[in-house]
Amino acid sequence: GNSVTQMEGPVTLSEEAFLTINCTYTATGYPSLFWYVQYPGEGLQLLLKATKADDKGSNKGFEATYRKETTSFHLEKGSVQVSDSAVYFCAHMYSSASKIIFGSGTRLSIRP
Amino acid sequence: KAGVTQTPRYLIKTRGQQVTLSCSPISGHRSVSWYQQTPGQGLQFLFEYFSETQRNKGNFPGRFSGRQFSNSRSEMNVSTLELGDSALYLCASSDRGVNTEAFFGQGTRLTVV
Repeated sequence: GNSVTQMEGPVTLSEEAFLTINCTYTATGYPSLFWYVQYPGEGLQLLLKATKADDKGSNKGFEATYRKETTSFHLEKGSVQVSDSAVYFCAHMYSSASKIIFGSGTRLSIRP
Repeated sequence: KAGVTQTPRYLIKTRGQQVTLSCSPISGHRSVSWYQQTPGQGLQFLFEYFSETQRNKGNFPGRFSGRQFSNSRSEMNVSTLELGDSALYLCASSDRGVNTEAFFGQGTRLTVV
């Protein structure tokens, strides 16, 4: 069935370090792929998205590329900040269904 | 443009009671989906409503139900509450098919005691 697998957390990094959070998915066809971020006590905010193979989504210094051949959508940032501390969710959705399949989430903590 | 509004933000209920949660989507969005978030199960899809009709349903018992009104506002109802229903309930709105982006509300934190 359709699913999303992302790397287990928590991930702890120092400020200005390079970040990678791995995400792979299983799906039939070509879903849209997303990264959502959740800050403490808040709902989910869309961080970035990609709707077709080889698309690169980017926002606030974060990037992820839709890799159909490896069914992956890894999140990267070149230099993290303390304010990036949050839980990150990889997800996919078919436009015809509006049902989002989420990964289990990765908690990211950034040390000053 | 106003975002997705969920009310109330917090609720405490007793086992066996029922509860109704409300979600007002972004203006113009006709699709509303509901998700349950728990530490153990993560984010799970409950159901989706579009044009007042349930279009998709997740794997939850019949105690969980919903509806959508003509103005696209949606309510979710949980009857005969169990301790395990304690969770953050999130609502998402989208324009379904036109743009695959879904916008989430801040959620309703339900605690069952």
